[in-house]
Amino acid sequence: GESVGLHLPTLSVQEGDNSIINCAYSNSASDYFIWYKQESGKGPQFIIDIRSNMDKRQGQRVTVLLNKTVKHLSLQIAATQPGDSAVYFCAENIRNNFNKFYFGSGTKLNVKP
Amino acid sequence: GAGVSQSPSNKVTEKGKDVELRCDPISGHTALYWYRQSLGQGLEFLIYFQGNSAPDKSGLPSDRFSAERTGGSVSTLTIQRTQQEDSAVYLCASSFEQGHGYTFGSGTRLTVV
Repeated sequence: GESVGLHLPTLSVQEGDNSIINCAYSNSASDYFIWYKQESGKGPQFIIDIRSNMDKRQGQRVTVLLNKTVKHLSLQIAATQPGDSAVYFCAENIRNNFNKFYFGSGTKLNVKP
Repeated sequence: GAGVSQSPSNKVTEKGKDVELRCDPISGHTALYWYRQSLGQGLEFLIYFQGNSAPDKSGLPSDRFSAERTGGSVSTLTIQRTQQEDSAVYLCASSFEQGHGYTFGSGTRLTVV
């Protein structure tokens, strides 16, 4: 079955440092990935996405890297700020199965001032 | 509306009672999803609606769970004879078209006592 998981359940970083959050997936048919940020008491918020025909995509202070060879996805946050403190989820969508995304269990990012 | 709206935001119910959770998707979004998030866990897919097509109910955990979407807009998730294990945050999301990132609501926190 599909499996999306995260290597580190909790990540603590100093304000201003770069953060890297990792995610592994198991289904080679997955072709679309999204990173979500969830703050306490709120629903997940879209951060950035990437399709399997790409290996890197950049947004504002965020970069997503996709390594299809090892089925690994990462989210890099540059110059991490206190407002980045949240739980981050990767989500996987399998080719020709648009009905649902499969979510990992999340990584909690703590930004220390 | 401007975002996905869910009501109520919090619901406490006694074991064995029925509950209804409501979701107002973003206007014009044809796809609507329900997910469940247990404490400290990732998101579990429940059900998906796309236009006038038959919904994908493959994620509903038992026949106590049902959902409908009236007029292609508002959706109601109903849980009959609630159990304590139903306690979770129920998240609704909508998207303009399938296979793209969702916009989530803030969720309904259900507590069964």
